[in-house]
Amino acid sequence: DVKVTQSSRYLVKRTGEKVFLECVQDMDHENMFWYRQDPGLGLRLIYFSYDVKMKEKGDIPEGYSVSREKKERFSLILESASTNQTSMYLCASSPHETQYFGPGTRLLVL
Amino acid sequence: EDQVTQSPEALRLQEGESSSLNCSYTVSGLRGLFWYRQDPGKGPEFLFTLYSAGEEKEKERLKATLTKKESFLHITAPKPEDSATYLCAVQAGDYKLSFGAGTTVTVRA
Repeated sequence: DVKVTQSSRYLVKRTGEKVFLECVQDMDHENMFWYRQDPGLGLRLIYFSYDVKMKEKGDIPEGYSVSREKKERFSLILESASTNQTSMYLCASSPHETQYFGPGTRLLVL
Repeated sequence: EDQVTQSPEALRLQEGESSSLNCSYTVSGLRGLFWYRQDPGKGPEFLFTLYSAGEEKEKERLKATLTKKESFLHITAPKPEDSATYLCAVQAGDYKLSFGAGTTVTVRA
């Protein structure tokens, strides 16, 4: 079975804090993705990576950055958290077309 | 720009009452169409990939079909455990997915 894990299920942070969301996959997948999911807006792609140390902007990259130092790990960084970044964050990995998702991190920024 | 529209937004069914969900799409060069199931507070769970018009796939009470403009997810004789949000997504020239907003299905016993 494909296993994608995310470091936290729930996080509460203050405005202006630097936030790290970690994602790990154990299937040696090349591709990894970060999405956010908001009611009425669906899943929106923030960043993705096709290889180690490689990253590409998705549809809504503003206010976020990513890091992929190892193939199995893809980190999402909120440099200075803001209240409009309160959301459900979902990580996914894929060998080719099909993406497999982690359980999600629900982030609340106060 | 790829567009995916799912209907209806919400569907309430009686146990055993079969129905269908619709996913209409506009994409340049469809690479694949994907169906996912998402339970509240959890990540999407992969169900099916469809690659070409006329293709069908089945899993238990679910059957997905694909035409050149839309896909249907048929739920046959649903049970309460089929209650979830069903997401449709399309993939074009690269590995990125464009998602619809989802259909929330509630099955009453």
